[in-house]
Amino acid sequence: QKEVEQDPGPLSVPEGAIVSLNCTYSNSAFQYFMWYRQYSRKGPELLMYTYSSGNKEDGRFTAQVDKSSKYISLFIRDSQPSDSATYLCAMSGGSNYKLTFGKGTLLTVNP
Amino acid sequence: DSGVTQTPKHLITATGQRVTLRCSPRSGDLSVYWYQQSLDQGLQFLIQYYNGEERAKGNILERFSAQQFPDLHSELNLSSLELGDSALYFCASSTTPGLSNEQYFGPGTRLTVT
Repeated sequence: QKEVEQDPGPLSVPEGAIVSLNCTYSNSAFQYFMWYRQYSRKGPELLMYTYSSGNKEDGRFTAQVDKSSKYISLFIRDSQPSDSATYLCAMSGGSNYKLTFGKGTLLTVNP
Repeated sequence: DSGVTQTPKHLITATGQRVTLRCSPRSGDLSVYWYQQSLDQGLQFLIQYYNGEERAKGNILERFSAQQFPDLHSELNLSSLELGDSALYFCASSTTPGLSNEQYFGPGTRLTVT
């Protein structure tokens, strides 16, 4: 079983839709949870950062962490064509701070 | 712009050769991480340095090595290159691990081994 599982998609939605992206994980030591956005062949851009369980909102983005279920989510409201990218979940914890990534979900928002 | 810089942007080289990738972290960040991204493996952690010292190692090949210099920039050395080493190599930086683990990524170096 992989430490982090993420549905690779692809996911295609119309402009204005609410997008839900998810990851599950198996390592209970994970405490730091991040979502990155990566445009083709570019560096990952940090979107959301959450420590432990709970919700965090930033503009159109909401991150949720449920440590009891080992499940994290990213919601994008009023999606825009410029949101089209690969979204990567990442997490860390325990004795070191390396990030363990999901494989990424390719999102396309159609005008 | 994350504030992390990487050079060069692209590298094309032959099998058996050696290359050096360079990374400058964000101003004030003491920790540098190197990651490899390939189509089949996704983003994989290679190695971490904190204030000049190696802190953690991932699945880094013995042919690969890294170091962090007193000015905090870091270099990743890849030697005896194989076709399978072709990938995107990213550097990320963070402040002090434990206080904050937000990692900011550079634009990457695309390595092509022919």
